[in-house]
Amino acid sequence: DIQMTQSPSTLSASVGDRVTITCRASQNINNWLAWYQQKPGKAPNLLIYKASNLESGVPSRFSGSGSGTEFTLTISSLQPGDFATYYCQQYSLDSRTFGQGTKVDIK
Amino acid sequence: EVQLVESGGGLVQPGGSLRLSCAASGFSFRSYSMNWVRQAPGKGLEWLSYISGSGGGSTIYYADPVKGRVTISRDNAKNSLYLQVNSLRAEDTGVYYCAREGSHFDSWGQGTLVTVSS
Repeated sequence: DIQMTQSPSTLSASVGDRVTITCRASQNINNWLAWYQQKPGKAPNLLIYKASNLESGVPSRFSGSGSGTEFTLTISSLQPGDFATYYCQQYSLDSRTFGQGTKVDIK
Repeated sequence: EVQLVESGGGLVQPGGSLRLSCAASGFSFRSYSMNWVRQAPGKGLEWLSYISGSGGGSTIYYADPVKGRVTISRDNAKNSLYLQVNSLRAEDTGVYYCAREGSHFDSWGQGTLVTVSS
């Protein structure tokens, strides 16, 4: 299976900060990458698909970039509702692996 | 409105089996590939299995850690997805989600909790 490695595991930030999360794939996945936000006790929510496409209804402060094996999720100005855990996921070939998650908490 | 509702979770003894269900509504179920994902308490998301929609030739994939112990299936006439989990272990404890795949997981259920304990 393709392995996905996210960094950092935890990120402390303040409202208004620019936040970047990185995800690396163990092999080339082209742009078959999604980002999800999950809050405690809730199902994950899709933010970005095909590496850089914003899901309908998701605020434009969220953006994604990258291709091949290196990807980033950027939140341009962190809002109170953005404190959550973020996961990347590859969906190429015969597996759908998630990264281990990045928890964004209040500094 | 797309809705996915999981059921079938509960308390199971180690070594036991469970069949989870996911009832779909609000979209053409047969046309979509579907997945099962689980989350152990306080841990991250773990993809378990995939089954293709119509036109996909009934393609099925499993994650290596659960291969041989889980079986995914679907009944398009009942708009339902299933996951049979056998030889349950403590580490199978967690919330099990079904998710619709439209090249990415665009809709999720609320999850069903499975607890494996004696």
